Amino acid sequence: SYVLTQPPSVSVAPGQTARIPCGGNNIGTKSVHWYQQKAGQAPVLVIYDDTDRPSGIPARISGSNSGSTAILTISGVEAGDEADYYCHVWDRSRDVVFGGGTKLTVL
Amino acid sequence: EVQLVQSGAEVKKPGESLTISCKGSGYGFSSYWIAWVRQMPGKGLEWVASFYPGDPDPTFSPSFQGHVSVSVDKSISTAYLQWTSLKASDTAMYYCARRMAGSRAPNQPYFDYWGRGTLVTVSS
Repeated sequence: SYVLTQPPSVSVAPGQTARIPCGGNNIGTKSVHWYQQKAGQAPVLVIYDDTDRPSGIPARISGSNSGSTAILTISGVEAGDEADYYCHVWDRSRDVVFGGGTKLTVL
Repeated sequence: EVQLVQSGAEVKKPGESLTISCKGSGYGFSSYWIAWVRQMPGKGLEWVASFYPGDPDPTFSPSFQGHVSVSVDKSISTAYLQWTSLKASDTAMYYCARRMAGSRAPNQPYFDYWGRGTLVTVSS
């Protein structure tokens, strides 16, 4: 079955750039989606189809996907960006696959 | 405005049955797949099942197949997740989410709207 690997945590100072990787076998051939989940809240879609942002998501949140790694990038990190971030792909053998999640800590 | 409104928190004993619900509004409920997603305390997201309101054949994660069932009442735009015999390990937050097919990759959908979740606690 397909596996998505994320680091458990990423830390960054305010104003800096956070990069959250999501690894998977030939993930560059799949469409990767990203969700932000703040403490005590439901997940929110922040990136779909590798690079697209839903309306209301700021341009400083972006995504890329190539080879074996997809990356969620948050520029000019703010305290309000502190959350868990999950990558997601669709896999024919298991339908929905989520990464284990990465906790973004703003120092 | 698209909304998925989930039923309230539940406290049950092991072996009891339970049905939780997810009511969609602000869109054509019968035209979009719905998924159920579990989040155990302090853990990540796990896909439970997906189904199309107009199709009686849902897709289950192997981890949940045979332990839960899903159903829908299209007349009231409501989806259900059901257990006949709960276990303590079912204690978790359960989310429903609307599945959307992207324009660039329609066969690799994502979840564009989520309910706020239903907390299920199973304890003797």
